[in-house]
Amino acid sequence: QVQLQESGPGLVKSSQTLSLTCTVSGASISSGRYYWSWIRQPAGKGLEWIGRIYTSGSTNYNPSLKSRVTISVDMSKNQFSLKLSSVTAADTAVYYCARDLCSRDSCYWGDYFDYWGQGNLVTVSS
Amino acid sequence: QSVLTQPPSVSGAPGQRVTISCTGSSSNIGAGYDVHWYQQLPGTAPKLLIYGNNNRPSGVPDRFSGSKSGASASLAITGLQAEDEADYYCQSYDSSLSGSVFGSGTKVTVL
Repeated sequence: QVQLQESGPGLVKSSQTLSLTCTVSGASISSGRYYWSWIRQPAGKGLEWIGRIYTSGSTNYNPSLKSRVTISVDMSKNQFSLKLSSVTAADTAVYYCARDLCSRDSCYWGDYFDYWGQGNLVTVSS
Repeated sequence: QSVLTQPPSVSGAPGQRVTISCTGSSSNIGAGYDVHWYQQLPGTAPKLLIYGNNNRPSGVPDRFSGSKSGASASLAITGLQAEDEADYYCQSYDSSLSGSVFGSGTKVTVL
């Protein structure tokens, strides 16, 4: 049974850096078959993909957040992490981590998220 | 502003069939990228409902089905049940953004 669990502060001050960690169980981050993504959802709004990391350490980020986002992986702990700098109230959201795999066994067709964490509400305060 | 457009809400009586549309463009669905659907019950994380346009993960009832044509896709729910009341999101890949994009979300209400 694959499980993902986000952890990190629920409150971050404006202009500071938001840091979250996702711990994966039931699957190995180092297996090489999957990407590992972060997705967020402001209250009452839709989902926004933040970015993803592959086993090799290669990353892809949403262009709208790219200048502020860093995703990293710690294979020894089977964890991956998100850092979002210079946060504002607009960054207040529930942050999800998710396992990200290629559609039809090839990323030529895109990818999707088969397992999600329960979510971590992060509020940015002034 | 979501890249993929969905109707804000759809509703139906128990037992009825409802469909949710997801309209994209030539850089995502229209470019041939697969469409995936998620169900989000109130207060919970999204759950994968349909992947690869029309495939159901193990455990998802066959009342849920997906289809894709051109730059659009649809999710159909037949035999609507009270437990289907949730938000539904489509998702695809966008080549101009080099990443995943989601629909605006559709709230399904069972009358």
